[in-house]
Amino acid sequence: QSALTQPASMSGSPGQSITITCTGSNSDIGIYNYVSWYQQHPGEAPKLIIYDVRTRPSGVSNRFSGSKSGNTASLTISGLQPEDECDYYCSSYTTSSTLYAFGTGTRVTVL
Amino acid sequence: QVQLVESGGGVVQPGTSVKLSCVTSGFNFKTHGMHWVRQAPGKGLDWVAAIWADGSTKSYADSIKGRSTISRDNSKDTLYLQMNSLRADDTAVYYCVRGSGYDWIGSFDNWGQGTLVTVSS
Repeated sequence: QSALTQPASMSGSPGQSITITCTGSNSDIGIYNYVSWYQQHPGEAPKLIIYDVRTRPSGVSNRFSGSKSGNTASLTISGLQPEDECDYYCSSYTTSSTLYAFGTGTRVTVL
Repeated sequence: QVQLVESGGGVVQPGTSVKLSCVTSGFNFKTHGMHWVRQAPGKGLDWVAAIWADGSTKSYADSIKGRSTISRDNSKDTLYLQMNSLRADDTAVYYCVRGSGYDWIGSFDNWGQGTLVTVSS
């Protein structure tokens, strides 16, 4: 089961924007728009923040936005806030018998 | 509101079995595909298994295929995961997760708080 590749860590000052990338292949991100992003604070369950590449669930801040180009998906956090400090994971449906791949995870630090 | 409450975790010996349960409420259980996702201590997320809303179709990650069974009881709004021949690398928090659609395609839109399974002698 191959994981999608994310940077291990990223940081930014309050108010800044950061973009987290998620690199897959033409067996997952490259051919499906079933790409989603999850936010996980320490000791808590993950929370869906983006689905179908770019759609935000009701109640999720519009500071979070998603996109995709080729085999790479991206999550942008605009106007970084202290509460954004946590782990972020991407996920994609795949052609594999293991239906879903998750990203390796990115820890975001707000300086 | 949507609630997913897992149970059944604990410390188990290698080679033995465990059955996890997930009692759900706050939504029409029989119209949603369901998943199990696990997270080893300090590690990332791994998709484990999925089942369609009517229970007719199931899928498993290669890591547990052949030694695990996902099932559901739509009359009890409950999801299950039976895992056999447990190994040390099965140690993880197991999350019960609601799928966004009737089958298993889409996103994981609601998560339980998880139940920890520790495989150790």
